[in-house]
Amino acid sequence: GQNIDQPTEMTATEGAIVQINCTYQTSGFNGLFWYQQHAGEAPTFLSYNVLDGLEEKGRFSSFLSRSKGYSYLLLKELQMKDSASYLCAVRDVATNAGKSTFGDGTTLTVKP
Amino acid sequence: DVKVTQSSRYLVKRTGEKVFLECVQDMDHENMFWYRQDPGLGLRLIYFSYDVKMKEKGDIPEGYSVSREKKERFSLILESASTNQTSMYLCASSLFRDRGRAYGYTFGSGTRLTVV
Repeated sequence: GQNIDQPTEMTATEGAIVQINCTYQTSGFNGLFWYQQHAGEAPTFLSYNVLDGLEEKGRFSSFLSRSKGYSYLLLKELQMKDSASYLCAVRDVATNAGKSTFGDGTTLTVKP
Repeated sequence: DVKVTQSSRYLVKRTGEKVFLECVQDMDHENMFWYRQDPGLGLRLIYFSYDVKMKEKGDIPEGYSVSREKKERFSLILESASTNQTSMYLCASSLFRDRGRAYGYTFGSGTRLTVV
């Protein structure tokens, strides 16, 4: 099975940088995803890491350390629209369907 | 530009009713999934399918069944709705393999089901 932990809530200021951590303990690992979910909407795909290291995509970056079972999502130059829930998800290696187990999500509030 | 469509945004049903939630994707994805999302519990996998007529149980399949007669359509069935099945239901789809890149899930907009 999979166990995924991430903080419940975080608050940051517009223009700042915030790091959202995710730790996982899994029986299998085939990649880690980050999704963004605005209130009342469906999650949308942000990033994917399967190898150790940093993946950068504009203002968002995601880091993975497989040996430590650890990932983080880094958001730079925060904007008010970044207020959302951020979901960490680990993909199972056991099936070709690539099903993922999700953490409970971190609710980020960006203040002016 | 809608790619995963769930038939209803809001649904209210009575206890004991048989409920059908429909999901259609137009991206030719092999994999389709049904999750439910509840406050404090996150997204939990109910059922998934990696091919037509194929289905696999997720983490919480009790009280649910699924049907995948066509590649683009994945239906979730609540055999006899109960109040503890009041939740947000999310359908998602993905490619079978990465094919050299990662796609992640594409989610539908969700169905908020209330069982009274």
